[in-house]
Amino acid sequence: GAVVSQHPSWVICKSGTSVKIECRSLDFQATTMFWYRQFPKQSLMLMATSNEGSKATYEQGVEKDKFLINHASLTLSTLTVTSAHPEDSSFYICSASAGERQEQFFGPGTRLTVL
Amino acid sequence: GQNIDQPTEMTATEGAIVQINCTYQTSGFNGLFWYQQHAGEAPTFLSYNVLDGLEEKGRFSSFLSRSKGYSYLLLKELQMKDSASYLCAAMDSNYQLIWGAGTKLIIKP
Repeated sequence: GAVVSQHPSWVICKSGTSVKIECRSLDFQATTMFWYRQFPKQSLMLMATSNEGSKATYEQGVEKDKFLINHASLTLSTLTVTSAHPEDSSFYICSASAGERQEQFFGPGTRLTVL
Repeated sequence: GQNIDQPTEMTATEGAIVQINCTYQTSGFNGLFWYQQHAGEAPTFLSYNVLDGLEEKGRFSSFLSRSKGYSYLLLKELQMKDSASYLCAAMDSNYQLIWGAGTKLIIKP
């Protein structure tokens, strides 16, 4: 199956700092990448959908100025959590899709802890 | 509105069979996905159904009835490593996945 990587796997930062998370599709070109957030014991919550070369589409309630998404190429998307606060601590997961069926292949996730 | 329903938690015995049900309501339909998610890890793809019927893949099978808005995931010969959350997700007409809250499956020896 297709491989998606995420970096870093986990990050601990101080409140007020910014954190960048990278999502890469390693062996295919992803037409679309998705960013999810998952709080403990809850399901995935879609934050935004991004297509290469265009602006991301954010879900209702997700602040686009706080969660900056850049999808510069068909293999790389980045999510930057700006001015992170403890309530932003969560498991952030990206996925990438390609092809007609548009199955989503998930990255391993990034666990963010904001102190 | 769009909605996915699946049981919160199920318990089964090692070696047995378990069926996890999922009902969905979406604006348009482009298929039903099942994912497995172990604690602290990202989801991994299990199956995809877009036509009515049963798709079998080793110990796992998935069934879809489009007219009933219903799917199930069937796990046979359960192993302890099958303890995980199982996520049902329906793809709507915009190719967006609508996710269920997941079913936590507990396997007992």
